[in-house]
Amino acid sequence: AQSVAQPEDQVNVAEGNPLTVKCTYSVSGNPYLFWYVQYPNRGLQFLLKYITGDNLVKGSYGFEAEFNKSQTSFHLKKPSALVSDSALYFCAVRDIGAGSYQLTFGKGTKLSVIP
Amino acid sequence: GAGVSQSPSNKVTEKGKDVELRCDPISGHTALYWYRQSLGQGLEFLIYFQGNSAPDKSGLPSDRFSAERTGGSVSTLTIQRTQQEDSAVYLCASSLPLAETDTQYFGPGTRLTVL
Repeated sequence: AQSVAQPEDQVNVAEGNPLTVKCTYSVSGNPYLFWYVQYPNRGLQFLLKYITGDNLVKGSYGFEAEFNKSQTSFHLKKPSALVSDSALYFCAVRDIGAGSYQLTFGKGTKLSVIP
Repeated sequence: GAGVSQSPSNKVTEKGKDVELRCDPISGHTALYWYRQSLGQGLEFLIYFQGNSAPDKSGLPSDRFSAERTGGSVSTLTIQRTQQEDSAVYLCASSLPLAETDTQYFGPGTRLTVL
């Protein structure tokens, strides 16, 4: 079975400071990992994904994430937060060996960037 | 190009009534997914369609839930005899018909409220 944990329900960061949103995962095989963002009353918007290759993945809006196999983590990062980054962030995993195309999502982390 | 569209955006119904939710995937995407987002439950996979293959219905919570996809494009999720616990945002996603790595793109969702 595949699972995702986002240990923080909420993260607060001052505008201009670096931000990190944490994600750890559990799969039986190798993972495909995704980050999505959800703005109020909107659907999920794709940010970035890790499939293979470089452990550091760059995505939309200046976000990046680092895949760490030994720690089974895929934390989302941004060097300098903007107020407009305030939203709900979801980490998701798909187990390559599971034979299923469904994504398993974490509970989400609410990011608040304070002006 | 156009993204995934869903209708209606909001639906309020009385307990016991049937509802139909519609999803139009991105043109050319043959894979289509339904998820449910509810408070306290996060995002749950419901059902997956890929081309003409039999759908993966493993996430449907009860036999009151069903979905079909006509002509390999538009999909309808039907909930019969709605219950209050069915209240949630129902999200549809689509992806290209290639490898497992393809990104799922989400629609804005339908907010269902069962009174």
